[in-house]
Amino acid sequence: GAGVSQSPSNKVTEKGKDVELRCDPISGHTALYWYRQRLGQGLEFLIYFQGNSAPDKSGLPSDRFSAERTGESVSTLTIQRTQQEDSAVYLCASRTRGSGEQYFGPGTRLTVT
Amino acid sequence: KNEVEQSPQNLTAQEGEFITINCSYSVGISALHWLQQHPGGGIVSLFMLSSGKKKHGRLIATINIQEKHSSLHITASHPRDSAVYICAVGGGSRLTFGEGTQLTVNP
Repeated sequence: GAGVSQSPSNKVTEKGKDVELRCDPISGHTALYWYRQRLGQGLEFLIYFQGNSAPDKSGLPSDRFSAERTGESVSTLTIQRTQQEDSAVYLCASRTRGSGEQYFGPGTRLTVT
Repeated sequence: KNEVEQSPQNLTAQEGEFITINCSYSVGISALHWLQQHPGGGIVSLFMLSSGKKKHGRLIATINIQEKHSSLHITASHPRDSAVYICAVGGGSRLTFGEGTQLTVNP
């Protein structure tokens, strides 16, 4: 079966523009996570969805960042008024209920110029 | 002090050597994860464990809950094992990650 997919794989945008990143989790996976990895740094947690609710959004770095999820499927991460420090790889992961193992997508590399 | 610390940060080995990567954490956890990040950036989950030891092929992961410490061992290392190995701990909804260990195995 298909794994976690993300689109676009690469995005170059100008400072100040809004961007939308998409994650398609594995079918049937109820939990979905967004992470960020800046160049040369470790992974940072951004937000967690259980179904379409987000019980933990404490990792979102500012109010320019928001995310939503439709049911137990697609999620979008939106960054408004992008800044250069938003440049990073944004990774999505999903897991099924009752399992702690997360399956990661290939990531979206965002470059803000 | 980071909640999850890995050592070493970088490790270079010759093919065939036995590799150990260590992870110490300071928070209460429900599970510890070992992840592998390939040079292209893709991440694969290797192990999730909450006690004892797990083995998968040439990879072995152990955890000592009392000492808040885990190790990842690679036996008979191979150049294709070259990657970043990441320790992550989870309690509840989120994972907290170590900085990763860059492993290079030379032929």
